[in-house]
Amino acid sequence: LAKTTQPISMDSYEGQEVNITCSHNNIATNDYITWYQQFPSQGPRFIIQGYKTKVTNEVASLFIPADRKSSTLSLPRVSLSDTAVYYCLVGEQRSSASKIIFGSGTRLSIRP
Amino acid sequence: DAGVTQSPTHLIKTRGQQVTLRCSPKSGHDTVSWYQQALGQGPQFIFQYYEEEERQRGNFPDRFSGHQFPNYSSELNVNALLLGDSALYLCASTLGTAGYTFGSGTRLTVV
Repeated sequence: LAKTTQPISMDSYEGQEVNITCSHNNIATNDYITWYQQFPSQGPRFIIQGYKTKVTNEVASLFIPADRKSSTLSLPRVSLSDTAVYYCLVGEQRSSASKIIFGSGTRLSIRP
Repeated sequence: DAGVTQSPTHLIKTRGQQVTLRCSPKSGHDTVSWYQQALGQGPQFIFQYYEEEERQRGNFPDRFSGHQFPNYSSELNVNALLLGDSALYLCASTLGTAGYTFGSGTRLTVV
């Protein structure tokens, strides 16, 4: 499983766009990049997953450069409710046997 | 469609006791994984169950054991509790290549 590195914490303000970058230099050919969001005393919640280029859903966008050694989660126009810990995970999506391993995550704080 | 359900939500145990935590996976999911999350840390993988067998295991001692039932629900058992076992225990379920769905966890406090 590829190791990931992401900032420990970030601060931003309501209405701003927030970009959280994750480094995964040892990503393997079959690995996907997945981001989870976790609020205090709750389980992590799936946000977005991608393999290459750009993926967008109703919540966020995920940008992955051609070398796939990093990825950036983009949250448009954040609100106070986006204050949470964000985890970047890298691993195979070949079957349910693919356990997911969490790092320490990025603690995002949004201010009014 | 119910998501992952865990019980109890909170639990206080005394050092040396044994505890059993329960998890009902999301409807249609057949694989259950358990995680331990200490305060301020990311979730740590304990083990994964599929077809009623432990398929993968993280770096946890044998005091941590589990079980999966024919209806895919699962239990996590911890024997000889230590103060350091105090944590949020999370259950996650999945099916095939679908993403993982997590429950809200059981907060275990060992005193």
